Amino acid sequence: GAVVSQHPSWVICKSGTSVKIECRSLDFQATTMFWYRQFPKQSLMLMATSNEGSKATYEQGVEKDKFLINHASLTLSTLTVTSAHPEDSSFYICSARALTGGARIGSNQPQHFGDGTRLSIL
Amino acid sequence: AQSVAQPEDQVNVAEGNPLTVKCTYSVSGNPYLFWYVQYPNRGLQFLLKYITGDNLVKGSYGFEAEFNKSQTSFHLKKPSALVSDSALYFCAVRLRDDKIIFGKGTRLHILP
Repeated sequence: GAVVSQHPSWVICKSGTSVKIECRSLDFQATTMFWYRQFPKQSLMLMATSNEGSKATYEQGVEKDKFLINHASLTLSTLTVTSAHPEDSSFYICSARALTGGARIGSNQPQHFGDGTRLSIL
Repeated sequence: AQSVAQPEDQVNVAEGNPLTVKCTYSVSGNPYLFWYVQYPNRGLQFLLKYITGDNLVKGSYGFEAEFNKSQTSFHLKKPSALVSDSALYFCAVRLRDDKIIFGKGTRLHILP
């Protein structure tokens, strides 16, 4: 089945550091990947939609200069948390949907999720 | 506004008993509905989906869900619960722009 690999799974770093999280689709291509943030005991909140070869689309209230997204290929998207602060500590999850017959929107394929990255800023 | 509601924060079921996790939705047009499961410190695993066709959808690990258009519901069910089913379950709907809206999640506890 479709596998999405997310790395690292856990990172602890000092305030002010920038942290990069990778999301890879291992056995399928994905023109679109999604980045979510999950607070303890809460649901997933969509942060941004990552589009291969173009700029990401950010949800309202998400700082694009704070959370840099790059989708350089059909199998890799990265999220960089710049100058991270303790309030950025959270569980970040990416997802990707496989292409079917070239369809980009409206496919009935489910999104496949990475295992998440727990970010702790000291 | 388009939304997904999971009215129960937690559901407790004895092992071997049937379980139901409730979900209702409010979206325009025909919905694409999903159930995902999340184990501690892990991402979401896809369980099943409803796109069209038979209202009873069968998925992974013996789970199934029934789509009810008149009640705008998509409850998750399993005939006989296992302790290993204990996890956090999310109902989700996919919108036309491909975004997914998740319910708040329901924590399922299967008691041995």
